Amino acid sequence: DIQMTQSPSSLSASVGDRVTITCRASGSIKSYLNWYQQKPGKAPRLLISAASSLQSGVPSRFSGGESGTDFTLTISSLQPEDFATYYCQQSYITPPTFGQGTKLEIK
Amino acid sequence: DVQVVESGGGLVHPGGSLRLSCAASGLTFSDYAMSWVRQAPGKGLEWVSGITGSGVNTHYADSVKGRFTIGRDNSKSTLFLEMNSLTAGDTAVYYCAKGSSGYNWNDVEFWGQGTLVTVSS
Repeated sequence: DIQMTQSPSSLSASVGDRVTITCRASGSIKSYLNWYQQKPGKAPRLLISAASSLQSGVPSRFSGGESGTDFTLTISSLQPEDFATYYCQQSYITPPTFGQGTKLEIK
Repeated sequence: DVQVVESGGGLVHPGGSLRLSCAASGLTFSDYAMSWVRQAPGKGLEWVSGITGSGVNTHYADSVKGRFTIGRDNSKSTLFLEMNSLTAGDTAVYYCAKGSSGYNWNDVEFWGQGTLVTVSS
């Protein structure tokens, strides 16, 4: 199975900050990388697919990037509703596997 | 709008069985592969099983292979997960998840709200 390693596991930031979350795959996944947002007690929500394709309705402050087997999720200016847990997921090989999550908290 | 609603969760003893259902609406159900993804309390996400839109092809995580069976009834837009020989390690919220095409269960586009399965004596 492909292992996905996210960093950091938690992050404290303030409204208006720019934050970046990183995800590294243990093997090649090309650009088959998705990012999800999950709020407490809620289902995950797909934010970005194919490493950088923003889903409909997702604010443009979210963006995704890639460099080899390293992938990033950047939020350009944090808003109060962005405090949540974020997961990366590779969809290149079955079984699809997730990173361990990054909990974004208010400083 | 697409909706998927899970049901069938609950408390079950170790070694017991449970059948989860997922009712879908707002889509042509047979056009999409579906998955079950679970989340243990306070933990991350784990893909459990997937099935193509036709129902012909299925796949399971090693952790559930031989114990869980995924199925679907396209005439009723319903997805199932039959779970046997349950252990405490299966305790989790189980999400029904819509794939991006008839054969791609890996790209999860939409999730239900989940149903909690608790395995305890």
